[in-house]
Amino acid sequence: AQKVTQAQTEISVVEKEDVTLDCVYETRDTTYYLFWYKQPPSGELVFLIRRNSFDEQNEISGRYSWNFQKSTSSFNFTITASQVVDSAVYFCALSEGAGGATNKLIFGTGTLLAVQP
Amino acid sequence: DGGITQSPKYLFRKEGQNVTLSCEQNLNHDAMYWYRQDPGQGLRLIYYSQIVNDFQKGDIAEGYSVSREKKESFPLTVTSAQKNPTAFYLCASSNRGAGYEQYFGPGTRLTVT
Repeated sequence: AQKVTQAQTEISVVEKEDVTLDCVYETRDTTYYLFWYKQPPSGELVFLIRRNSFDEQNEISGRYSWNFQKSTSSFNFTITASQVVDSAVYFCALSEGAGGATNKLIFGTGTLLAVQP
Repeated sequence: DGGITQSPKYLFRKEGQNVTLSCEQNLNHDAMYWYRQDPGQGLRLIYYSQIVNDFQKGDIAEGYSVSREKKESFPLTVTSAQKNPTAFYLCASSNRGAGYEQYFGPGTRLTVT
């Protein structure tokens, strides 16, 4: 069965600290996709990144970076020099891959990040 | 602006009443989805539709119903059979097929008393 685990329920950091959000996934598919979403207090989920299972290259976008490691089934998200505006709930998600015409997402339970000024 | 709209933002109903949540998108996406979010939990899939006039049950479809008569619209009805309807409901859309990211609306917070 597919599953996403975000073991960190809440993280609190002080502004300018670096923070890493962990995501561990389980799937039997050889082709799959991983996602990160941000949910600010307003409630709307904002798409951050998508990774497919054949692309293990790490990605950096400004202060955000993602580390995908198939060997440990992890897709961790790091925010460098955190800011108060980064305060939100962050969700990791998994979807099944090739052969599946659907795009169903399996979400983790989320990590609440609080960045203190 | 392209996006997904959900209305209303807050909805209050008495127990035993059916209520319909609206979801409209102008992103020209074939696929649409409804999720439910409870405090401290992730999102759980209620129903999804990959094409007009077709939809499938998700993981927690009991007590809910949907229709997909137009590509742009995917309304969700919370029926009186849903035992715990109070929750935050999120609608999303995406291109059809595996691996496409989903884009979400602002959500509707439903309170049933």
